[in-house]
Amino acid sequence: QVRLQQSGPRLVKPSQTLSLTCAISGDSVSSDSAMWYWIRQSPSRGLECLGRTYYRSKWYNDYAVSVKGRIIINPDTSKNQFSLQLNSVTPEDTAVYYCARKVMPFGGLDFFDIWGQGTMLTVSS
Amino acid sequence: DIQMTQSPSSLSASVGDRVTITCRASQDITTYLNWYQQKPGEAPNLLIYGASTLQSGVPSRFSGSGSGTDFTLTISSLQPEDFATYYCQQCLGFPRTFGQGTKVEFK
Repeated sequence: QVRLQQSGPRLVKPSQTLSLTCAISGDSVSSDSAMWYWIRQSPSRGLECLGRTYYRSKWYNDYAVSVKGRIIINPDTSKNQFSLQLNSVTPEDTAVYYCARKVMPFGGLDFFDIWGQGTMLTVSS
Repeated sequence: DIQMTQSPSSLSASVGDRVTITCRASQDITTYLNWYQQKPGEAPNLLIYGASTLQSGVPSRFSGSGSGTDFTLTISSLQPEDFATYYCQQCLGFPRTFGQGTKVEFK
């Protein structure tokens, strides 16, 4: 059974860096049939994919334009986890943050089948 | 980005009702469309992928249809555990994008 366990602070001050970690059990961050995402949810922006990391003979990362330049997603193969770092946060970054696994079973289709428990993160001084 | 628009944003229904939620994509996504259910305090849960294929373990009262830009999620007979928010999501373009959600409330 695949599980994702999130950890990290729930309160960050404006202009500081948000750091969250997603520990994987039952699968590998180096899997060649999955991608590992960070997704956030807020009343103003809804569900928003922030970025992903995945391994296909080498590591790839892709980021949403809305956070590009402020975001880093890193895999950690030694701990079988991946992390989110979002710099220069503002109150607009207040949201529930999820990590999620995306699988691609066939025919170009893909979907998010496993999610972390979510972290309600508040940006406030 | 591909924009996903759901309607209605909320609806009131009773147990046993047939419920239909629509989702429109800003461009042709063929059948690259998924549906999720989310209950308060929980992460979204996959219901349907590829516009019409039921995820394992999902009750058969849920069904999906559509292709191109217009899609539908139908609950044939609403059950108490179905009161939740439903999201569509396209899986054609990057970034993957979601609709704004449809909240199904008790009438």
